[in-house]
Amino acid sequence: QQQVKQSPQSLIVQKGGISIINCAYENTAFDYFPWYQQFPGKGPALLIAIRPDVSEKKEGRFTISFNKSAKQFSLHIMDSQPGDSATYFCAASKGRPRLTFGEGTQLTVNP
Amino acid sequence: GAGVSQTPSNKVTEKGKYVELRCDPISGHTALYWYRQSLGQGPEFLIYFQGTGAADDSGLPNDRFFAVRPEGSVSTLKIQRTERGDSAVYLCASSRLVGGTDTQYFGPGTRLTVL
Repeated sequence: QQQVKQSPQSLIVQKGGISIINCAYENTAFDYFPWYQQFPGKGPALLIAIRPDVSEKKEGRFTISFNKSAKQFSLHIMDSQPGDSATYFCAASKGRPRLTFGEGTQLTVNP
Repeated sequence: GAGVSQTPSNKVTEKGKYVELRCDPISGHTALYWYRQSLGQGPEFLIYFQGTGAADDSGLPNDRFFAVRPEGSVSTLKIQRTERGDSAVYLCASSRLVGGTDTQYFGPGTRLTVL
């Protein structure tokens, strides 16, 4: 049962471009939506997170857009850099600390 | 301040054998989590501890999997009669408190290969 669906599976962006990764969820009880960044051989690291009471959250070059009615949220990476090349995971939880992750997006930023 | 550490980093075993995977959480973190990440997939929740007790073990796939945290710090994930399908990276995470929005800090994982 896939409760969080993520797309695209892979993404190639030129340096300076905008990277956009999308997630859709099924469970309307979810109330916490984090994005994690994972480099090869490392564990996931929290990048940015949002609660459903706001539609957008920005931290530096990273922005989450949240659409509660559509049950969708997305990650935007502005001015993408080669150092942003990693795998990105969206996730969701509903008041309990167990996270349900999406399938991941492998981002490559070409110099 | 060291992060979450996991040992061993790699474990190769034969089908049917027993393995133990260890996690050292960040000092002072009350909550500890185990996830499993198969190749090309997102982490999948297995179990989490609040202190010494397993608060939610509903993600454990079957009774071959068991985890303990006897003193509320280090945790061990134990897998009996390993199967080839158990091959994955096993991730441990910890957080200060048990809460839906408390940041979980992940370790680098243990890559388990069952031959």
